[in-house]
Amino acid sequence: EAGVTQFPSHSVIEKGQTVTLRCDPISGHDNLYWYRRVMGKEIKFLLHFVKESKQDESGMPNNRFLAERTGGTYSTLKVQPAELEDSGVYFCASSRGRSAKAYEQYFGPGTRLTVT
Amino acid sequence: AQKVTQAQTEISVVEKEDVTLDCVYETRDTTYYLFWYKQPPSGELVFLIRRNSFDEQNEISGRYSWNFQKSTSSFNFTITASQVVDSAVYFCALRPPGAGSYQLTFGKGTKLSVIP
Repeated sequence: EAGVTQFPSHSVIEKGQTVTLRCDPISGHDNLYWYRRVMGKEIKFLLHFVKESKQDESGMPNNRFLAERTGGTYSTLKVQPAELEDSGVYFCASSRGRSAKAYEQYFGPGTRLTVT
Repeated sequence: AQKVTQAQTEISVVEKEDVTLDCVYETRDTTYYLFWYKQPPSGELVFLIRRNSFDEQNEISGRYSWNFQKSTSSFNFTITASQVVDSAVYFCALRPPGAGSYQLTFGKGTKLSVIP
């Protein structure tokens, strides 16, 4: 079974530009999550999809961030326009839809975003 | 509010030594879930264990063991006879109960270096 994949692995953009991060969850996982870790800080929750619906987006920092999950499969996270403080590692995770297994989130390798 | 504290930023041990990684949490919930993840140099977070707050039995999995003490709000992780492959950043995380929110609250992580 393939794990969670994220693309790109690294991205360097200038302040004011737009970047789109992609996450492909484990096949069959209804739940998809985005997290972010900025330098020296904790990994912070951004939002949670159940299939194509946003279940919890309480962690989204502001309206420059837009997450979508078309068809309940892969997800994208767009940052527009990017600011310096958006630099960090963006993790995607997925989990199954039911039972206690839904509590076990499986993470991808992350996308390292650098805004200069 | 929920909080996870991993007071040890970095630990170095010599191979074959035992090492304990500390995790202290704060929550107002009476039921909750605790997790440990390992982040090897490749970057992804690898799920290690999930523990329900109503189950205080300690768990052992090979060289890994976890000591959950509700009275002190701690969920410590011990690696016995450490190996170089154990070198990684280890994260402790907390999740509230219920179906509404699946977000994980992470500690800052402990970087473990096992020296041959």
